[in-house]
Amino acid sequence: GAGVSQSPSNKVTEKGKDVELRCDPISGHTALYWYRQSLGQGLEFLIYFQGNSAPDKSGLPSDRFSAERTGGSVSTLTIQRTQQEDSAVYLCASSEPGQGKNEQYFGPGTRLTVT
Amino acid sequence: RKEVEQDPGPFNVPEGATVAFNCTYSNSASQSFFWYRQDCRKEPKLLMSVYSSGNEDGRFTAQLNRASQYISLLIRDSKLSDSATYLCVARYSSASKIIFGSGTRLSIRP
Repeated sequence: GAGVSQSPSNKVTEKGKDVELRCDPISGHTALYWYRQSLGQGLEFLIYFQGNSAPDKSGLPSDRFSAERTGGSVSTLTIQRTQQEDSAVYLCASSEPGQGKNEQYFGPGTRLTVT
Repeated sequence: RKEVEQDPGPFNVPEGATVAFNCTYSNSASQSFFWYRQDCRKEPKLLMSVYSSGNEDGRFTAQLNRASQYISLLIRDSKLSDSATYLCVARYSSASKIIFGSGTRLSIRP
């Protein structure tokens, strides 16, 4: 079946512009995560959606970052007034509901470059 | 202190060698643990879950030590294709976020 998809695959933007990154999780997966990975670094947790619960936003680095998940499916990560330090690969992952269903399935990521 | 810590490496070992690396976690309430593998410029993929009793999958063995709050991954008879970054993962509960370590780079040389 279809995996997690993300768009765009690459985004180059000028400093100060806003960008929107999209994630389509696997159908039926209630958990959705956003991570950021800078070159040669590990995954930095950004935000976590679980069903209809309030999202865990504890990883968002500043108020320029926000995310929505509409209808429990597609999610959009928005970065306002982008800065050069926002350049990274933004990864989305989803997982199935239920106890023990922990495996995360990752999308291919969006490579964001802020010039 | 990071919630999940790993030695970044790189570990550079010859083909056929056995290599092991550890990962420590700070939250003693963590319930679930995993190892993910990430190839260069690719997304992470689950390698194996880590169970309290330890578990083995072919050449890979994972161990959990709750008393010392670390997990380990052992790779026997390493192959060139094992070259990757190995990410340690902890989860506090089924309803909580998943925390990734920064990863350990492994390079297998012919």
